Amino acid sequence: GIQVEQSPPDLILQEGANSTLRCNFSDSVNNLQWFHQNPWGQLINLFYIPSGTKQNGRLSATTVATERYSLLYISSSQTTDSGVYFCAVDRGSTLGRLYFGRGTQLTVWP
Amino acid sequence: KAGVTQTPRYLIKTRGQQVTLSCSPISGHRSVSWYQQTPGQGLQFLFEYFSETQRNKGNFPGRFSGRQFSNSRSEMNVSTLELGDSALYLCASSLVGSGNAYNEQFFGPGTRLTVL
Repeated sequence: GIQVEQSPPDLILQEGANSTLRCNFSDSVNNLQWFHQNPWGQLINLFYIPSGTKQNGRLSATTVATERYSLLYISSSQTTDSGVYFCAVDRGSTLGRLYFGRGTQLTVWP
Repeated sequence: KAGVTQTPRYLIKTRGQQVTLSCSPISGHRSVSWYQQTPGQGLQFLFEYFSETQRNKGNFPGRFSGRQFSNSRSEMNVSTLELGDSALYLCASSLVGSGNAYNEQFFGPGTRLTVL
């Protein structure tokens, strides 16, 4: 399978700070998704970004498929940004299977 | 459009029992995937169904099974429960079709299973 590594594993910030989360993957992929897991466990879709750059409010993401990594940027952090951020990838041949990283636990203090 | 729904949200069972979890995909989505999340192993793929057929299966014992109905709703079953089966079980749905955008997965709220 595909290996997905996320860094850092833990990140502690004060409200208003910016952060960058990284996702490295071991093979070429068709798709890449970023999720935020809320305190109740649900995975919330942030970005579907197999390549290129996307922005949604204070969040943006960039995937460089040829170099096998993706970055998630969070600007002006808020306490509600706290939680675990997951990167997941799939290959076209893996039929509905996402390979997940171990996540980055983000804690934002007021 | 309603999101992915899962029932029940919480379950407590004892070792040796069996359990059935249900997942209703987003309307129009034809693929349903199941994942198990534990603190030790993270998010692991169980299986995926499309048009009532299992197309892909992860590395789980035969006690874990599933099925999909003609309306795309899916169920998973775990027989002879073990303590290690305690986990959050998540299902996801996607459209499936030509073009990568059809493969984006959307997750339900999960079922938290506790085995005593």
